[in-house]
Amino acid sequence: DAKTTQPNSMESNEEEPVHLPCNHSTISGTDYIHWYRQLPSQGPEYVIHGLTSNVNNRMASLAIAEDRKSSTLILHRATLRDAAVYYCIRATNTGNQFYFGTGTSLTVIP
Amino acid sequence: DTGVSQDPRHKITKRGQNVTFRCDPISEHNRLYWYRQTLGQGPEFLTYFQNEAQLEKSRLLSDRFSAERPKGSFSTLEIQRTEQGDSAMYLCASSPNTGHSNTEAFFGQGTRLTVV
Repeated sequence: DAKTTQPNSMESNEEEPVHLPCNHSTISGTDYIHWYRQLPSQGPEYVIHGLTSNVNNRMASLAIAEDRKSSTLILHRATLRDAAVYYCIRATNTGNQFYFGTGTSLTVIP
Repeated sequence: DTGVSQDPRHKITKRGQNVTFRCDPISEHNRLYWYRQTLGQGPEFLTYFQNEAQLEKSRLLSDRFSAERPKGSFSTLEIQRTEQGDSAMYLCASSPNTGHSNTEAFFGQGTRLTVV
């Protein structure tokens, strides 16, 4: 999705927090923001989603800017198993259609 | 339940041949989606079913592509007269209909198509 931009790659040290940014400056008021991650030769795996408020779950936290033009996925303590491509997704409010960004490849350094 | 199942995992075909992929969603998930992913890119939406009804189709889904979900359970995606540009990973996903329009989607491992 040309409207969703992410850095191509990021690195993190193991057990350190990771902040993965996403810009979605043209998101509509009813589009949800989802994050999925994908390992090689696997399908994407759900991480978290939200609309306006910040969200927390057992995997991560999602911080959404007040103007909704950007969001940040926060992994509180990166592990080697968190190494993956992380996709920021604009999700329409009607048919659950996902518009994937180009993804950020996260490398976790032991 | 073992999750979303796709068959085959890999398919190599000659240009011009027809191919068909199958997706078995998680039981009782009434929403089913097909996506296509080329190397180094994020998945692109192809089509969406709610039960047996195909409610949305991307303009990426040319006339050579057809998807069905006849009984609202498994789905098939057929590509006729394959072209080299069809080489990609074809992903299927399903989600429950909880009354909310945005829920977690569960993806299969995909079918990797190579057209030679």
